[in-house]
Amino acid sequence: GAGVSQSPRYKVAKRGQDVALRCDPISGHVSLFWYQQALGQGPEFLTYFQNEAQLDKSGLPSDRFFAERPEGSVSTLKIQRTQQEDSAVYLCASSLTAGTKNEQFFGPGTRLTVL
Amino acid sequence: SQQGEEDPQALSIQEGENATMNCSYKTSINNLQWYRQNSGRGLVHLILIRSNEREKHSGRLRVTLDTSKKSSSLLITASRAADTASYFCATPTGNQFYFGTGTSLTVIP
Repeated sequence: GAGVSQSPRYKVAKRGQDVALRCDPISGHVSLFWYQQALGQGPEFLTYFQNEAQLDKSGLPSDRFFAERPEGSVSTLKIQRTQQEDSAVYLCASSLTAGTKNEQFFGPGTRLTVL
Repeated sequence: SQQGEEDPQALSIQEGENATMNCSYKTSINNLQWYRQNSGRGLVHLILIRSNEREKHSGRLRVTLDTSKKSSSLLITASRAADTASYFCATPTGNQFYFGTGTSLTVIP
């Protein structure tokens, strides 16, 4: 595809369940970012991958959050034992080059609701 | 906390008018980017201005950057109803982008 895709678009989980959110970046893009966006707020950085290397995970809110990009393309954000405060839109973005020197291309997001 | 902050938080204008929104940030940057987000959608990149640039144009968009004041402005000229959206500035620090809380723009037809 031409753009960044994310799946599922919507996810409802019961508190305590584990969830996995997928991001397919633009082919060939080196950088991949995950963000969490609460209602009415701007995106908040979670983690950054340069190819398969997770270079920055300082934004992950707790050790229940885990992200991987094993082959340097598709990435998965996993949240274990979900809590109500995890309810948010999770955005993925990719960029052609390493770091933050160029524009990011965003996916449509996954809206997670934890009941 | 987020280092980029936009103001105003909300802006309502008539179609055809110009809209100006501002962004302030705290640390040194090598570029600043503006994004648009329509309700329930992902962000769309609008324009990137590098730290050695003072002004940049793209269609109806004009962005300025004042690194001495750590601020940027986005001007949308001749606004259209389709410009209704939230607008965010993004400032990079290390491997992270910081986004503000955004300006919600409503263009009334």
